[in-house]
This record gives sequence, C-alpha cells and structure tokens, in this order.
Amino acid sequence: SQTIHQWPATLVQPVGSPLSLECTVEGTSNPNLYWYRQAAGRGLQLLFYSVGIGQISSEVPQNLSASRPQDRQFILSSKKLLLSDSGFYLCAWSLQGASGAFFGQGTRLTVV
Amino acid sequence: AQSVTQLGSHVSVSEGALVLLRCNYSSSVPPYLFWYVQYPNQGLQLLLKYTSAATLVKGINGFEAEFKKSETSFHLTKPSAHMSDAAEYFCAVSDDRGSTLGRLYFGRGTQLTVWP
Repeated sequence: SQTIHQWPATLVQPVGSPLSLECTVEGTSNPNLYWYRQAAGRGLQLLFYSVGIGQISSEVPQNLSASRPQDRQFILSSKKLLLSDSGFYLCAWSLQGASGAFFGQGTRLTVV
Repeated sequence: AQSVTQLGSHVSVSEGALVLLRCNYSSSVPPYLFWYVQYPNQGLQLLLKYTSAATLVKGINGFEAEFKKSETSFHLTKPSAHMSDAAEYFCAVSDDRGSTLGRLYFGRGTQLTVWP
C-alpha cells in the first residue's frame, strides 16, 4: 500500500533562517506531488506541484521554492524565512484526477 | 478554470441532528469531486469521491454526498451527527486535463461543531 511521510511535524524557526521540509512517498511510481499551505481561516493554498523529476510548477510567487530530486521525494525550501511564512504545510500525492490526492500529516511551521 | 464554493464557513448542529455541508463547483469538463475531513493538526483524510459513476456516493463514517449536475452541487450529509464528527471539511474538484493532471481545487472549508 502507498504511504506518505512528511517531516518534521513541528518547527519553530527565526526570521531570516533557512527552511527545508521533506516529503517522501512509498508504494507507487511517478506520482504527482503537491505542497499546500494552510493559514488560519484561509483554507488550502496550493504552493507547488510536480508531475515528474525536476518538473516544478509554482502557483503563487513567494519566498519559497520546491525541488523534486527523486521520483518520490519532494522538498520545500526557503533561503530566508519571513513571519508570513508561518502556517501548516501539507504534502500530498496523486496518480490521476479520479483518485483524488492523499495527504501527509503536515508540518506546523512557526516563524518567530 | 475550476473552482469550488463552500457555503458557510461554520456549521453547528446538535448531536443526533442532520449534518448538511454545502458545496458548489464550477468546471468546464465533467468533474471529479471529493470531500475531505481534517482533524486539528492533522492532514486531510478522504471521506468520499464522485468519479462519474453513481450520483449518490457513500463514504466513511456514515457520510454521503449527492452529485447534482443541474445544480452544480455536491453537498455532504450525515443523518445523525456524532461528537467525533467535529472537524473541518473541505470540498474539492479535479480533472484529468493536461499538465494539471490530478490537481485539486479546494473550497475554503467548513468547520463543523457538534453540541452535546
């Protein structure tokens, strides 16, 4: 069966520090991968999605970047965090539209 | 472009009462529709999905949803609310077009509160 791992679960980082959140999927090949951010009262915002290794699409211009160095690995990064980067970050994978997407447990990021 | 509107950011019901969470979608092609549930500080869990088979879809935890093309709606219902149903619920739409294959478009969510 397929599983998705996302870590860390919580993170407190100072403003201006770098960020690296990692997500890996097991039990499937060539998944579509997504990073979402959830801010209080603002629903889910798609940040990046990837349909293959090295293929990244950005939905919203911001302080973050994403990379997909391996088929089932998706990394969210920032060189310098801002206070506004605080939120709950969710990684997800899907195979096709009819299957829906499957989510990791999320990372609660607090920038102080 | 596809979009989802969830009417009511907060819904409160008494335990044992009917739960009705509303979702309307916009799509230029036959959509796939989903409901997800999120408990505090957790990821989203798929409750049910519509993929062009039966219009009445049954999901986990006693929830069901009905796809109504004429109304472009996919409302979520449960006959009798339980305290454990308190959570945030998200409606989403997807399709299989091109480079956005499998991409989900989410509504803003509805927080369900269940009173004893």
